Amino acid sequence: DSGVTQTPKHLITATGQRVTLRCSPRSGDLSVYWYQQSLDQGLQFLIQYYNGEERAKGNILERFSAQQFPDLHSELNLSSLELGDSALYFCASSVEVPGELFFGEGSRLTVL
Amino acid sequence: AQKVTQAQTEISVVEKEDVTLDCVYETRDTTYYLFWYKQPPSGELVFLIRRNSFDEQNEISGRYSWNFQKSTSSFNFTITASQVVDSAVYFCALSEAGAYGGSQGNLIFGKGTKLSVKP
Repeated sequence: DSGVTQTPKHLITATGQRVTLRCSPRSGDLSVYWYQQSLDQGLQFLIQYYNGEERAKGNILERFSAQQFPDLHSELNLSSLELGDSALYFCASSVEVPGELFFGEGSRLTVL
Repeated sequence: AQKVTQAQTEISVVEKEDVTLDCVYETRDTTYYLFWYKQPPSGELVFLIRRNSFDEQNEISGRYSWNFQKSTSSFNFTITASQVVDSAVYFCALSEAGAYGGSQGNLIFGKGTKLSVKP
């Protein structure tokens, strides 16, 4: 158990819909990262937050947004969903100077 | 641009065989970090090792060993006497150095190598 909690574990929705994925980092970790794992793109970095502020952005679509709240949990919002958004979405957390990222178990999104 | 290449898509071995997973990286940074993660069938990503660009010492942890060679931009991973429980997808990853000296944290992952260990 990495200590990072992601909900929901599985989500099935339809094209055009909007979903929110939630992540609670390990206790004390200030940084939260979101990654997307799909069959064609592999594991891709989406975005990083540090203590509530966006710190780095990767290949995140404009239809996607994220935020980190004062209690350090983070949410990833995916809107106008397309079939290609079906993927496993991982959240990870780390200390300020990360030696390793601790990944949650992922949220598997299926868009039908 | 940073890039990680894991040329071996799938490897199948019989238990107790040694197996080496290859990783070749590209970066223009002089300070960077390399990682290996394991993704078992259950799906979670498990950290195995981090190595910074200034430390070329090979590392051994039980049946696992890592060979970092800057001259060939490679960071290979060897499992000795493989076991069925080693069956998983293994990812090599690269990151830049962050402002505070540690890893930036936004990892560039290779496509992964699926290792199947048969009894």
